[in-house]
Amino acid sequence: GEDVEQSLFLSVREGDSSVINCTYTDSSSTYLYWYKQEPGAGLQLLTYIFSNMDMKQDQRLTVLLNKKDKHLSLRIADTQTGDSAIYFCAESIDNQGGKLIFGQGTELSVKP
Amino acid sequence: DAGVIQSPRHEVTEMGQEVTLRCKPISGHNSLFWYRQTMMRGLELLIYFNNNVPIDDSGMPEDRFSAKMPNASFSTLKIQPSEPRDSAVYFCASRKASNTGELFFGEGSRLTVL
Repeated sequence: GEDVEQSLFLSVREGDSSVINCTYTDSSSTYLYWYKQEPGAGLQLLTYIFSNMDMKQDQRLTVLLNKKDKHLSLRIADTQTGDSAIYFCAESIDNQGGKLIFGQGTELSVKP
Repeated sequence: DAGVIQSPRHEVTEMGQEVTLRCKPISGHNSLFWYRQTMMRGLELLIYFNNNVPIDDSGMPEDRFSAKMPNASFSTLKIQPSEPRDSAVYFCASRKASNTGELFFGEGSRLTVL
């Protein structure tokens, strides 16, 4: 079945890089996403990667995908206090109407 | 453009009462999802609809929960009777088939059952 696992907490200092890891089980996952949730709000899409890609870079964000190991990571360069939030990894088998399965979320705490 | 609109934002009720949560998806989106978020269980998919038709309700906890989508612009999630363990934040999200498959979330309805 589908399952997405993440570590629950990560604490970094402002200016350092943050790396949030995720593993998934469904080998048919075609689309993998990172969402961000700020306190009291819904989730917002940060970035996504297709399963035929190994890496995607978007400004301070770098997504790495190891499809063989079913491992996804999100690296945030020069982490700022405003990056403090919960980050969710999600997988989907398609973009046409299939469901998204989310991990438990990683709470990122950025200390000044 | 208005995003996904959920109501109420907060609800406090007593055990045994009926609770109805409402959602208006983004216009033009053809899929709608109901998720529940708790500290213990994280974000759980309860049910989702494509073109107003329920596709997968395997995440609905039990018969006390029901969801409807009578038209493309409105959905409800009902809990009857409610129990304290139903206390959570309930999110509605919508999406249209696209290159990214991005989900757009509402701000959530925080339910407290006493």
